[in-house]
Amino acid sequence: DGGITQSPKYLFRKEGQNVTLSCEQNLNHDAMYWYRQDPGQGLRLIYYSQIVNDFQKGDIAEGYSVSREKKESFPLTVTSAQKNPTAFYLCASSPGAVSGNTIYFGEGSWLTVV
Amino acid sequence: AQSVAQPEDQVNVAEGNPLTVKCTYSVSGNPYLFWYVQYPNRGLQFLLKYITGDNLVKGSYGFEAEFNKSQTSFHLKKPSALVSDSALYFCAVRDKGNAGSARQLTFGSGTQLTVLP
Repeated sequence: DGGITQSPKYLFRKEGQNVTLSCEQNLNHDAMYWYRQDPGQGLRLIYYSQIVNDFQKGDIAEGYSVSREKKESFPLTVTSAQKNPTAFYLCASSPGAVSGNTIYFGEGSWLTVV
Repeated sequence: AQSVAQPEDQVNVAEGNPLTVKCTYSVSGNPYLFWYVQYPNRGLQFLLKYITGDNLVKGSYGFEAEFNKSQTSFHLKKPSALVSDSALYFCAVRDKGNAGSARQLTFGSGTQLTVLP
């Protein structure tokens, strides 16, 4: 089936550790995104990529890093510099960055700091 | 700058009754408008979008939304609610002028819909 796969679903991080969330899509979409969702709040954009080997910071990029070496993959690393990383992370993709294109989401990953 | 407001954190409706989830927006130009639904512990699912043309947009699962430019609103509606419609609903907006900018999709804070049996 076509879609966006995020893994792991649940991840626990110790203080001072970096962790990486995986996101893979087989929709042949050019653009990919990472959002963070906190309870009672909407989604906030962390990073986005419009094409392979290119990405831009979103509204809350501090403490996060990404790479886009392959069209289908857009992993997110939560670094130890992110002081409050506990949240629900959503990966998304769209056919391109044109405004009218629909953004489709994966099932999300929970990250908890222990 | 663009923004979205969902003025109700919580909406309760009886099964079989019509439902409305409200959304108002602010953009500098013309908007693209989207509705998504989120079930607990899941990603967002796309319901419908307004790009251009007919102000009444029909989407998945019997939902529809009406674009009202004068009131800058894009309320989500369904004629007869089901218990299974209970979920978190998000409205989102993007300014048409930002055609080359992937980042400019702004989400509202969400409205929790509860359909009571």
